[in-house]
Amino acid sequence: DVRLMESGGGLVQPGGSLRLSCAASGFPFENYPMTWVRQAPGKGLEWVASILASGTLKYHAGSVKGRFTISRDNSNNLLFLQMTSLRADDTAVYYCVRERGVPWEPQEDDWGPGILVTVSS
Amino acid sequence: QSVLTQPPSVSGTPGQRVTISCSGSNSNIGNKPVNWFQQLPGAAPKLLIFSNTKRASGVSDRFSGSKSDTSASLAISGLQSEDEAVYYCSVWDDTLTGRLIGGGTKVTVL
Repeated sequence: DVRLMESGGGLVQPGGSLRLSCAASGFPFENYPMTWVRQAPGKGLEWVASILASGTLKYHAGSVKGRFTISRDNSNNLLFLQMTSLRADDTAVYYCVRERGVPWEPQEDDWGPGILVTVSS
Repeated sequence: QSVLTQPPSVSGTPGQRVTISCSGSNSNIGNKPVNWFQQLPGAAPKLLIFSNTKRASGVSDRFSGSKSDTSASLAISGLQSEDEAVYYCSVWDDTLTGRLIGGGTKVTVL
């Protein structure tokens, strides 16, 4: 079975940094593009970033560009989201998503349970 | 505010057919495929429809997707109480070089 488990969330002060991890199992991780999607409390979904299977191409939403970086470790089946210069409006549940296809024509097959990041002083 | 416009809510009685619209532009829906997600209360989203019309694995055939020009729609036929959820459309935008997700539509079964 496909399993995605996010970790690394928690409370951080504005301007701080945090690195989210997503541990993947049950499928050949190195063959699949991956994505982060977030959801602020009581709000809708927002795409954050996507990375191709090889890790060579990455795409980030305008709201996080220059502050967040998606990356992956195919040797250890891990997806990361490095978040810096965090702001209150980055407070959200962050979901790790396994996909097929390409970022502009995806099939988002599997979602992790999500991890809460709270940015507050 | 999302550049993909969905109605905030739709409702229907059991057995009824409801549709959810998703309006975009030439830089997104106009030339890229649309996906639809269902998010049940307290749960992670689930892919329903990809590439405009294709049902994801295990999805009931009561759900169907369509697209015309710069708009897409999700139809739910034979509405059931278990369909009460928030539904989102999603599509790539060539101008933004990123993925857009609509604001979500809450479906209520009366």
